[in-house]
Amino acid sequence: DAGVIQSPRHEVTEMGQEVTLRCKPISGHDYLFWYRQTMMRGLELLIYFNNNVPIDDSGMPEDRFSAKMPNASFSTLKIQPSEPRDSAVYFCASSRMNYEQYFGPGTRLTVT
Amino acid sequence: AQRVTQPEKLLSVFKGAPVELKCNYSYSGSPELFWYVQYSRQRLQLLLRHISRESIKGFTADLNKGETSFHLKKPFAQEEDSAMYYCALSRGSTLGRLYFGRGTQLTVWP
Repeated sequence: DAGVIQSPRHEVTEMGQEVTLRCKPISGHDYLFWYRQTMMRGLELLIYFNNNVPIDDSGMPEDRFSAKMPNASFSTLKIQPSEPRDSAVYFCASSRMNYEQYFGPGTRLTVT
Repeated sequence: AQRVTQPEKLLSVFKGAPVELKCNYSYSGSPELFWYVQYSRQRLQLLLRHISRESIKGFTADLNKGETSFHLKKPFAQEEDSAMYYCALSRGSTLGRLYFGRGTQLTVWP
């Protein structure tokens, strides 16, 4: 198994542009998590899904952020419009009910 | 509410010295505690969880319910231990969510 797959690995975009981050969880995992990592705030949970249904999106910073999980093998995190303060590393993780979360390699987003 | 506190943002030790990364939590129920590690430019990975009582890469952590702590310890630090360490808590329910501390950056000097 290749583990959790994220794309792109790096994204540089201009302020105001739409950004879409993608995640493929480990097959058979029923939980999917989106995190944001910054120097100032550490690792923050943005949203998580169980069986493709959003369970808690209280960590989503603003309406500019949205996440979807159309099926068990794919999820997206979209930022529209993007702002410089959105620059961070975005991680996707997946797990089964035994709680061990497996993280993807992350997407390093830079908004100029 | 639940909270995980890692009081040290940065920690430096010399190779061969003992190291302890502190983690305190607040939760009224019976939590499960974890340590995750992130080596430079690598993905986060589980280091250990308290219910398994394992020693991974020489690290151990004991859950102290009286002090609500789950400190990570290693008697002799190695340079390859330099990494970011995150303490995390699960509420022990079936929800699967983890609550992370802010992390401690450990640097082991030669």
